[in-house]
Amino acid sequence: TQLLEQSPQFLSIQEGENLTVYCNSSSVFSSLQWYRQEPGEGPVLLVTVVTGGEVKKLKRLTFQFGDARKDSSLHITAAQPGDTGLYLCAGDPQGGSEKLVFGKGTKLTVNP
Amino acid sequence: GAGVSQTPSNKVTEKGKYVELRCDPISGHTALYWYRQSLGQGPEFLIYFQGTGAADDSGLPNDRFFAVRPEGSVSTLKIQRTERGDSAVYLCASSFSRGNTEAFFGQGTRLTVV
Repeated sequence: TQLLEQSPQFLSIQEGENLTVYCNSSSVFSSLQWYRQEPGEGPVLLVTVVTGGEVKKLKRLTFQFGDARKDSSLHITAAQPGDTGLYLCAGDPQGGSEKLVFGKGTKLTVNP
Repeated sequence: GAGVSQTPSNKVTEKGKYVELRCDPISGHTALYWYRQSLGQGPEFLIYFQGTGAADDSGLPNDRFFAVRPEGSVSTLKIQRTERGDSAVYLCASSFSRGNTEAFFGQGTRLTVV
């Protein structure tokens, strides 16, 4: 079973601070996605990374896929209260299966 | 509709009862997925449909769980003889085509078995 470990599990910061959350595995993934989920809602896709070493930016969010395609990170610059939510990474296992493997998520709270 | 729609939003049922959860995918999306999310966990894959057929049902926990998609659009997840451990949020997602795992999720159905 391919697992994705996310850290930290919980993160509470003040508005304006920077943060990084991590998604790690011992397995290779053909692609990796980051989602944000708010209470009572389904996950919303933020980004997909497919190439080892790839870096993608989405406004104040920077996503990186590890060179070996086993890990990824999400960095948020100058966090805002609207960034509060559960951040999930999900991997498409090597071989192109149709199902995603999700991590447990990082619950981020940004305090005003 | 514009997004994936799941009904009901909440379902409370007694242990041993049968429940059906419905998913309306985004129009034109041929791939449909069911996931289950327990409290404090990430979504866990249950089943994937490509068109009308279940292409991968390896995530269904046991034979009490069954899903159909008879016309390649709406899907129903059916759970027989519900148990308290089935309590979770059941998420449906759809994507445009096979091989495209950029899925769009519905808001989920929160199932509580009492």
